[in-house]
Amino acid sequence: DQQVKQNSPSLSVQEGRISILNCDYTNSMFDYFLWYKKYPAEGPTFLISISSIKDKNEDGRFTVFLNKSAKHLSLHIVPSQPGDSAVYFCAASVSSGTYKYIFGTGTRLKVLA
Amino acid sequence: DAEITQSPRHKITETGRQVTLACHQTWNHNNMFWYRQDLGHGLRLIHYSYGVQDTNKGEVSDGYSVSRSNTEDLPLTLESAASSQTSVYFCASSAGTRGETQYFGPGTRLLVL
Repeated sequence: DQQVKQNSPSLSVQEGRISILNCDYTNSMFDYFLWYKKYPAEGPTFLISISSIKDKNEDGRFTVFLNKSAKHLSLHIVPSQPGDSAVYFCAASVSSGTYKYIFGTGTRLKVLA
Repeated sequence: DAEITQSPRHKITETGRQVTLACHQTWNHNNMFWYRQDLGHGLRLIHYSYGVQDTNKGEVSDGYSVSRSNTEDLPLTLESAASSQTSVYFCASSAGTRGETQYFGPGTRLLVL
């Protein structure tokens, strides 16, 4: 049972345009969400996070939106750059009593120059 | 600078052999995690530890074991390697405080023939 789902395995976007990556979850106990970015032959690196008490968190070109009623979060990258080409994983956690993350299957983003 | 390292970075082994993957972190983090990454499955948790002498099973723990004798290291052992364990393995660590993210190592690519 996949508790965190990324239904788009891949996405291509023109440089300078917006990239929108989506993630859905099924466990209503999740209250902390993160996005990780992964380049080939490297480990994932933390990108941005959001607590369930917020519906939006912004860090430079990256914004994460959380819709708790729909159990959906999205990552917006504006403007997209070729260096953003990577695999993006969303992750979810129940913040009290555990430090485990449940990861989605990943979305490969390709930003075209 | 503090870091998390994994060794070896690449390993080829034969079915039935015992294999140990090393993970070492210098952040003095309490929490350490082992994941495997497979196409179509994202990152799946194998085992994790919240401190010395503490180990817990993750969602795909069958055929794997870990031990935590000190803060810095969490070796992952494949007791009898199987072809289904061909994968990329990532170690991660976190401080264990609310909102603290996990930091990943560079990964070990394992091929079981």
